[in-house]
Amino acid sequence: ETGVTQSPTHLIKTRGQQVTLRCSSQSGHNTVSWYQQALGQGPQFIFQYYREEENGRGNFPPRFSGLQFPNYSSELNVNALELDDSALYLCASSLGLLAGTDTQYFGPGTRLTVL
Amino acid sequence: EDKVVQSPLSLVVHEGDTVTLNCSYEVTNFRSLLWYKQEKKAPTFLFMLTSSGIEKKSGRLSSILDKKELFSILNITATQTGDSAIYLCAAGSNYKLTFGKGTLLTVNP
Repeated sequence: ETGVTQSPTHLIKTRGQQVTLRCSSQSGHNTVSWYQQALGQGPQFIFQYYREEENGRGNFPPRFSGLQFPNYSSELNVNALELDDSALYLCASSLGLLAGTDTQYFGPGTRLTVL
Repeated sequence: EDKVVQSPLSLVVHEGDTVTLNCSYEVTNFRSLLWYKQEKKAPTFLFMLTSSGIEKKSGRLSSILDKKELFSILNITATQTGDSAIYLCAAGSNYKLTFGKGTLLTVNP
């Protein structure tokens, strides 16, 4: 148990819709990172938030956006869903903002299916 | 572009065997190499390696990093069926982890 929770567990949407995924970090962890894991692939970095500001972004279009709140919860929003957005979405929390030195602890993920 | 390559992609062994999983990386602003175990959904943390040549151990698992040759290995001795999982290697840079595709390990009784 990492103390990181995500909701919902599963979600089915249709192409063009919008979706919001939620994550609750470990208490005291100021950093949350979001990853997309397609079937048979390793997780791919979407973006990182540190103290409610976006701190870094991977190679994802602007229709992927996020929010982080002072109560250690965060959201990943995806607009104009495409079929290729079907994946497991993982959030990870860490104490500091350096992924290379602060261990990231992952939640169980949200499985998103886009039809 | 940052890249992490794991080999083999899949491996089937019998209980009691020893396995070695490989990970090579090319990452800008490299800071550490991490190993995670993914059974169903959440990757669970195994090791973070920052220094070359220093082995980290946890029970039957051990790992070492070579920063000159840009690779790491994860060893599992006396494998058990509970070790069956995907093992992910990730290179940590300033703000992100770059993952490999993982090695699917199957341990048969």
